[in-house]
Amino acid sequence: ETGVTQTPRHLVMGMTNKKSLKCEQHLGHNAMYWYKQSAKKPLELMFVYSLEERVENNSVPSRFSPECPNSSHLFLHLHTLQPEDSALYLCASSQDLRQGYEQYFGPGTRLTVT
Amino acid sequence: SQQGEEDPQALSIQEGENATMNCSYKTSINNLQWYRQNSGRGLVHLILIRSNEREKHSGRLRVTLDTSKKSSSLLITASRAADTASYFCATGGGSYIPTFGRGTSLIVHP
Repeated sequence: ETGVTQTPRHLVMGMTNKKSLKCEQHLGHNAMYWYKQSAKKPLELMFVYSLEERVENNSVPSRFSPECPNSSHLFLHLHTLQPEDSALYLCASSQDLRQGYEQYFGPGTRLTVT
Repeated sequence: SQQGEEDPQALSIQEGENATMNCSYKTSINNLQWYRQNSGRGLVHLILIRSNEREKHSGRLRVTLDTSKKSSSLLITASRAADTASYFCATGGGSYIPTFGRGTSLIVHP
């Protein structure tokens, strides 16, 4: 266990559904991240939060909406997704944003959009 | 792009053999990290090497960094079936966010 949990672990949703992914870290870290991992592609950084403030948004479509209510929790709200959004969504945290701090990853949510 | 690129994309070896995978990048970096990912799981940090270091060891892992060639290698000695996983390098440069490559898929046959 890395100290980062994600729920649900698997999610199947239709294109018209609304769902949310949850991430929680028990490490006292200040930075949290959402990544998308598709087959045979590099890990894609989606969002970065530091002390509950969004500091990076990598041109992610608006159908993905992040929320960070406190430094321990991170959500990714999903609505009207497309089949190409099917992927493994990984949450990570690090002590803070300065270089050299390793990232701790959760186990991921396997999302399938039908 | 600062993104690291791992090579080879796939590697298949027998238990007990050594596994070597490489990472190349294009711009200057401050550090480089290696991560392991078991199938369908999150990534686990293995080792970080700073730009002023040339070699680092951790257990059966040996990482080298050649900043003149903009490359790094990860050596796993005396491999075990449990080492079967994907291995990623992540480069850290001007941005505080490490940038990941596509990974090397390692299979160790018992």
